[in-house]
Amino acid sequence: GAVVSQHPSWVICKSGTSVKIECRSLDFQATTMFWYRQFPKQSLMLMATSNEGSKATYEQGVEKDKFLINHASLTLSTLTVTSAHPEDSSFYICSAMGRSGEQFFGPGTRLTVL
Amino acid sequence: GESVGLHLPTLSVQEGDNSIINCAYSNSASDYFIWYKQESGKGPQFIIDIRSNMDKRQGQRVTVLLNKTVKHLSLQIAATQPGDSAVYFCAELLSGGYNKLIFGAGTRLAVHP
Repeated sequence: GAVVSQHPSWVICKSGTSVKIECRSLDFQATTMFWYRQFPKQSLMLMATSNEGSKATYEQGVEKDKFLINHASLTLSTLTVTSAHPEDSSFYICSAMGRSGEQFFGPGTRLTVL
Repeated sequence: GESVGLHLPTLSVQEGDNSIINCAYSNSASDYFIWYKQESGKGPQFIIDIRSNMDKRQGQRVTVLLNKTVKHLSLQIAATQPGDSAVYFCAELLSGGYNKLIFGAGTRLAVHP
């Protein structure tokens, strides 16, 4: 149980385009999901907290208009990187919080912006 | 801001030896800590956790020690195996109901045969 999936697992896009990443909790409902970004050889940095049915809460320094988060259901949150640029290339990881408060992590999405 | 950090960025051990990975945290109000293992290109995998009312917790081949006096965590892996090679992160759960995890810098564990 407690499986979280992400789609796609990797994506390559041209500079200026938008990319949508999905995070799904497969066997449980999650009112709260989190989005992290991880640059090579660095740690996970929390970008935002996604709450079902309400606006996401962004961490300081994360542009909400650039990283659009939609948590439309109890099993799905999406992160859209708008007008992507090479500096947005990173490993994006989501987590979904279960009833116990534990976070279950997805496998990550590798974004490369050319 | 406050953060969780690690003393050693890289640790190389021989297969069969015990490994100790250290972590220092700075938020004295945090009451829950987790160790994660991350293999290349994958998401973090839960290893073991500990609450601040405990000093030690044991799992299968792993032990976490918490020293609240000096705000220090350690992860001990017994009889380290090649499959243990990965990056290990400690994480601190911020108090106050935010459920936010703050990750440390990470330590790469390399196990040599």
